[in-house]
Amino acid sequence: QVQLVQSGAEVKKPGASVKVSCKASGYTFTTYALHWVRQAPGQRLEWMGWINAGNGDTKYSQNFQDRVTITRDTSASTAYVELSSLRSEDTAVYYCVRDDGYWGPGTLVTVSS
Amino acid sequence: EIVMTQSPATLSVSPGERATLSCRASQNVNSNLVWYQQKPGQAPRLVIYGASTRATGIPARFSGSGSGTEFTLTISSLQSEDFAVYYCQQYNNWPRTFGQGTKLEIK
Repeated sequence: QVQLVQSGAEVKKPGASVKVSCKASGYTFTTYALHWVRQAPGQRLEWMGWINAGNGDTKYSQNFQDRVTITRDTSASTAYVELSSLRSEDTAVYYCVRDDGYWGPGTLVTVSS
Repeated sequence: EIVMTQSPATLSVSPGERATLSCRASQNVNSNLVWYQQKPGQAPRLVIYGASTRATGIPARFSGSGSGTEFTLTISSLQSEDFAVYYCQQYNNWPRTFGQGTKLEIK
């Protein structure tokens, strides 16, 4: 069955970077695009970006002002999101989402000095 | 970017009654709209895609309608497991955008 397994919780200091992974199984990785969506505590869902897992094309939300990078490793069936110059407002649960609406369990990233 | 506005913010309904949730887009999104259900501490779950098609495993009491800029999610007879936060999201344009959510609570 389809599984999206995300990396574990992270605690980072302001100004640092974080890289969250999403390992897919149960389907052919390159046949579905993947999105990254985050949710700060008590807040709405926020779309961060998208990667075509087949050819690596990406699109990003301008809300992150070039701080976000999405990549994938097809040999490992894994997608990644990296967010740089972290600030306290980046504290959130980060989700990978398959293009047909299947969600990973989320990864909590806490930014605190 | 397209702004998605949901109403009401909170909806209080008794079990067994009907709930109607609304979502409005600031521009035409055709039928490229999904509804998600989110329970506390869980990832969202796809309920409706293409504005009106139920996702796999979603009961028939859930229905979606609308196109263009006005959309509705209706739950015909609320069950206890339906009380949650519901989000709409458009996938017609980049960036993808979500509504702020409607919390469906027990009256």
